[in-house]
Amino acid sequence: QVQLVQSGAEVKKPGASVKVSCKASGYPFTTYSMHWVRQAPGQSLEWMGWIKDGNGDTQYSQKFQGRLTITWDTSASTVYMDLTSLRSEDTAVFYCATGSKYFYDYWGQGTLVTVSS
Amino acid sequence: QSALTQPASVSESPGQSITISCTGTSSDVGAYNYVSWYQQHRGKAPKVMIFDVSSRPSGVSHRFSGSKSGNTASLTISGLQAEDEADYYCFSYTSSSAPWVFGGGTKLTVL
Repeated sequence: QVQLVQSGAEVKKPGASVKVSCKASGYPFTTYSMHWVRQAPGQSLEWMGWIKDGNGDTQYSQKFQGRLTITWDTSASTVYMDLTSLRSEDTAVFYCATGSKYFYDYWGQGTLVTVSS
Repeated sequence: QSALTQPASVSESPGQSITISCTGTSSDVGAYNYVSWYQQHRGKAPKVMIFDVSSRPSGVSHRFSGSKSGNTASLTISGLQAEDEADYYCFSYTSSSAPWVFGGGTKLTVL
């Protein structure tokens, strides 16, 4: 069955970067796009960006333009989310999600990133 | 890109029905039949309950149903149970620069 396993919690200082991984299994890796979703404490889900199935093109929310990079390593069936210039407002749980083209059948378990001095 | 508009909270008694609205624009909810709904229990990853406005994934209770009228989508839960108490989010494809947008979320309390 499809599984998405994310890397563990991180604590970062303001201005630093964080790279969160999402290892996929149970399906041909490049046949599904992978999306990243952020959820700040007590807040709503927020779409961040995606890497498209097949060609690996990326697209990001304007809110994260210039700070967010999504990449994949097809040999490792892993997608990476790299967020730079962290600030306290970036403290959140980050999820990878995939599945059908217009909705998410599968979610990772979430990775808590805490930004604190 | 603004989030889709949902009521912050709703509450109802067990056994009753409730409808959660999700209002967007003619660029998202009104333009596409790609609205999905997610249930999220505290500390857990979201789970899809409805996709493509009104389709239900296998394994999701028939008590959950979805619909759309104009720029507003709705999630209806009938025969409320204690386990339905959770946060619910709508999600839509959009023609804006960021092609997907979530709603602000609705906290459902089963009294």
